[in-house]
Amino acid sequence: KQEVTQIPAALSVPEGENLVLNCSFTDSAIYNLQWFRQDPGKGLTSLLLIQSSQREQTSGRLNASLDKSSGRSTLYIAASQPGDSATYLCAVRVTGNQFYFGTGTSLTVIP
Amino acid sequence: EAGVAQSPRYKIIEKRQSVAFWCNPISGHATLYWYQQILGQGPKLLIQFQNNGVVDDSQLPKDRFSAERLKGVDSTLKIQPAKLEDSAVYLCASSLPHWDEQFFGPGTRLTVL
Repeated sequence: KQEVTQIPAALSVPEGENLVLNCSFTDSAIYNLQWFRQDPGKGLTSLLLIQSSQREQTSGRLNASLDKSSGRSTLYIAASQPGDSATYLCAVRVTGNQFYFGTGTSLTVIP
Repeated sequence: EAGVAQSPRYKIIEKRQSVAFWCNPISGHATLYWYQQILGQGPKLLIQFQNNGVVDDSQLPKDRFSAERLKGVDSTLKIQPAKLEDSAVYLCASSLPHWDEQFFGPGTRLTVL
């Protein structure tokens, strides 16, 4: 069974810092990996989707990379802002259409 | 473009009662998912529909949970009877093909007393 781990569980940084969130998965046979953000009491907002054949995806200040062979993905956030404060979740889709989520990293950006 | 709609947003019930949640996906999205998210955990997939057919329900507790998508558009998830451990946020998501990007609704927060 696929296991998805996100480290750290919580992160606090001052505004303007660049930061990296980590996601690791145990089975490299994935179709894609998706990064989400979740604000308190809200649903998930899709940030980036990386297909298994891709190495990275970029959207604005966000860049996600994927290394299937090592079972790792990173989400890079440039020039962090207080509005980036949220929980960030990664999810992998595997054979059989199963989706596995990590437990998330809670990010706080201090003004 | 309208997003995924869910109702109600909040529900409080006593254990052993029944409850139902409704989801309307983004127009044209054939795939619909129901997830359960317990506080402090990532979402867990309960059931996935492709149009009105079930693709995966391996993690759905079928003795108490049921879901349907009769016309291949909106969907209902039911719990009967509810247990304390069912307290969670129930999220609905939709996507185009199986492997495409998922879009989530705001969720329904269920509290079972």
